Amino acid sequence: GAGVSQTPSNKVTEKGKYVELRCDPISGHTALYWYRQSLGQGPEFLIYFQGTGAADDSGLPNDRFFAVRPEGSVSTLKIQRTERGDSAVYLCASSSLGRGNSPLHFGNGTRLTVT
Amino acid sequence: SQQGEEDPQALSIQEGENATMNCSYKTSINNLQWYRQNSGRGLVHLILIRSNEREKHSGRLRVTLDTSKKSSSLLITASRAADTASYFCAMYNTDKLIFGTGTRLQVFP
Repeated sequence: GAGVSQTPSNKVTEKGKYVELRCDPISGHTALYWYRQSLGQGPEFLIYFQGTGAADDSGLPNDRFFAVRPEGSVSTLKIQRTERGDSAVYLCASSSLGRGNSPLHFGNGTRLTVT
Repeated sequence: SQQGEEDPQALSIQEGENATMNCSYKTSINNLQWYRQNSGRGLVHLILIRSNEREKHSGRLRVTLDTSKKSSSLLITASRAADTASYFCAMYNTDKLIFGTGTRLQVFP
């Protein structure tokens, strides 16, 4: 595709529910990143994939958060037993080289609201 | 965690003036990048400066890097109302990009 696509653009869920957020990176980009951004803050790193494997998941806040990229393209961020503190914009980005050596291309994010 | 802090947090200027934003970081870096974010949208890459570079230009943008002081600055010359956005520095740390806290720039016509 022309850019990074994230779906849904908005998600409202009740506390305790399970949610999945999807990211379609730019075709051919091997590196894929997930970030979380709260209002007025910079993006907070969650996890980085190089191909199918999670190269660095040190930013995932706890074991309720999990992400997969089974075929090395589309990625899904999964949040179990959502809490109100999980409310934020979840951003996905991809790059051609990874390892921070090339610019990241961001999607427009999924705004998650937990009520 | 965020390893970069930006100064000022907010900046308001008139069209035609220059805008300068500063970024300080804590660890050694391979490169430093600047991104722009319009309200409600994803981030857009502006410029990348490597650790062995001191200055880089792109159109009306000028970025400097001082690795001894662990700081960088972004200068936007002859600003336009369309430059209104949040600007973030990001440091490449091992294998991930860590973002700063951002500067909100408002350019009045």
